[in-house]
Amino acid sequence: AQSVTQLDSHVSVSEGTPVLLRCNYSSSYSPSLFWYVQHPNKGLQLLLKYTSAATLVKGINGFEAEFKKSETSFHLTKPSAHMSDAAEYFCVVSGTGRRALTFGSGTRLQVQP
Amino acid sequence: EAQVTQNPRYLITVTGKKLTVTCSQNMNHEYMSWYRQDPGLGLRQIYYSMNVEVTDKGDVPEGYKVSRKEKRNFPLILESPSPNQTSLYFCATTPTPRGSSYNEQFFGPGTRLTVL
Repeated sequence: AQSVTQLDSHVSVSEGTPVLLRCNYSSSYSPSLFWYVQHPNKGLQLLLKYTSAATLVKGINGFEAEFKKSETSFHLTKPSAHMSDAAEYFCVVSGTGRRALTFGSGTRLQVQP
Repeated sequence: EAQVTQNPRYLITVTGKKLTVTCSQNMNHEYMSWYRQDPGLGLRQIYYSMNVEVTDKGDVPEGYKVSRKEKRNFPLILESPSPNQTSLYFCATTPTPRGSSYNEQFFGPGTRLTVL
């Protein structure tokens, strides 16, 4: 079985400051991990994915995530927030069989001017 | 262009009136699934299909049906909708996994359903 916990339902930062969105996962094998972003009234877009290659993964729009097996974490970071980053972010773990993906409950990122 | 399409994008209906939300993909993917998104709950899987004529329940299947007669199409059927099925619905596809886990899923644009 697998699960994902996003530790913050809401994060607010000022434009130009760093972003940290936290995610912990549980899986009985070596998972693939993803971050998806959903802008208001839009569909889901893949930000980045980890599939057992490099532990530091670079994504689109300056986002990065680091896979830490010892901490079972996959936190999403960005050095400098932009107003256009305001959106909801989902951490996702892959599985096999029926559970192709398990989603976290989401973190809403607010960026203040 | 690789894409997943859903129709309709928006639908307002009344309790008990049967409806179907269509999903179609042009990527020749085997695996298709339906999710519903509700505030604070993320996306929850309703049904999935590993291939043609192979479907199974996800986490929240009550009140829904699906069929997979062709590889490209995976319609979601609500035979007697109720207000608690008011939600945002996403169809998604992915190739059959290679190795131990799935790769990314490709999502449709979503269907916002309101049941009065």
